[in-house]
Amino acid sequence: NAGVMQNPRHLVRRRGQEARLRCSPVKGHSHVYWYRQLPEEGLKFMVYLQKENIIDESGMPKERFSAEFPKEGPSILRIQQVVRGDSAAYFCASSPGWDTGELFFGEGSRLTVL
Amino acid sequence: AQKVTQAQTEISVVEKEDVTLDCVYETRDTTYYLFWYKQPPSGELVFLIRRNSFDEQNEISGRYSWNFQKSTSSFNFTITASQVVDSAVYFCALRINTNAGKSTFGDGTTLTVKP
Repeated sequence: NAGVMQNPRHLVRRRGQEARLRCSPVKGHSHVYWYRQLPEEGLKFMVYLQKENIIDESGMPKERFSAEFPKEGPSILRIQQVVRGDSAAYFCASSPGWDTGELFFGEGSRLTVL
Repeated sequence: AQKVTQAQTEISVVEKEDVTLDCVYETRDTTYYLFWYKQPPSGELVFLIRRNSFDEQNEISGRYSWNFQKSTSSFNFTITASQVVDSAVYFCALRINTNAGKSTFGDGTTLTVKP
């Protein structure tokens, strides 16, 4: 009965490096969402994916950020050439369908860019 | 566009006091869900409640209660007889039915319960 699993929980990168954050949804859930929480702020929607499809990426920065949810394996949020402003907590959530209300959140991955 | 406002940035109470966290939302959609989440110091997000737009019944769960009023677009959360373990950041969120997954969160209210 595992919930949403995110790893790593904490990640430190230097400016210019790449960060990869992984998310395994609740078993049986085919909808994955990524949110970003900047310090002292609420969560901001980034992207909504289903298996092999990006459904809504309206919250993703236009450059350096990408997300995927392959047929097999976890969803990946990739940040290239990280900058200090990317330091945040990145939360993944999943749901069994698009029209169900509740999102099940992981514990978050905290990225620190030095 | 959707918007959620949690006007109270920080609240501090003494244990056993009752406390109400306010949430006001904006949407033009008639079908939507409202949520409250708790984020304790450890950082994870804990789901507390979901309410759909057609169900204005208030709900009580132990020391927690929620007051949903469509007339004022509010979905307030009350903790009765607060405890130190209630100290956390509380987020109110809105999700419209036609925008699957794209929940809009308020900026959160930091509740500190002092012994």
